[in-house]
Amino acid sequence: NAGVTQTPKFRILKIGQSMTLQCTQDMNHNYMYWYRQDPGMGLKLIYYSVGAGITDKGEVPNGYNVSRSTTEDFPLRLELAAPSQTSVYFCASSARAQQPQHFGDGTRLSIL
Amino acid sequence: KNQVEQSPQSLIILEGKNCTLQCNYTVSPFSNLRWYKQDTGRGPVSLTIMTFSENTKSNGRYTATLDADTKQSSLHITASQLSDSASYICVVSATGANNLFFGTGTRLTVIP
Repeated sequence: NAGVTQTPKFRILKIGQSMTLQCTQDMNHNYMYWYRQDPGMGLKLIYYSVGAGITDKGEVPNGYNVSRSTTEDFPLRLELAAPSQTSVYFCASSARAQQPQHFGDGTRLSIL
Repeated sequence: KNQVEQSPQSLIILEGKNCTLQCNYTVSPFSNLRWYKQDTGRGPVSLTIMTFSENTKSNGRYTATLDADTKQSSLHITASQLSDSASYICVVSATGANNLFFGTGTRLTVIP
């Protein structure tokens, strides 16, 4: 059982480039989340989804976009990469809102 | 303001010793409190989740306590092992799908 899988694990981008961080889960969870984790800071919610076709903004959505066309996949899109987006990005899923979240191992993104 | 504060920021203990990590929160309305373990380079993994009515919950050598009146929680680790070296994150959930508040974690190092 793979759980939550994130790709790529590492990526270096130039300022202004775009990319998509991939996230897929095989637990048939309705809820999926994207977080960023900066050094010395708690995880911050970027976007979340309560089911296929439904997404909503979290605490720090600016500069990002998401889509949820299937239950399994929840990609995160960076359109114009900026140095402030250098971070570790975690995708998570849960069966319901008040249940523990299962996290992927993260994508480490550097923007230079 | 909804906040989660953890102490200490970091802790070094000898293998085999016990330790206690603290979490204070001001999140309202409270739904549940979670403790996660995050190994270096990995995503967080759920240890315990406690609702308002639960005072104590154990997961192997990990025991979490909750005092909803004083808005405090602790995570006690018994007979520490080298593999316990990790960051421990306290997360408090308010009602709703995106109302999770993350602490910045306690970095525990267990030395031989």
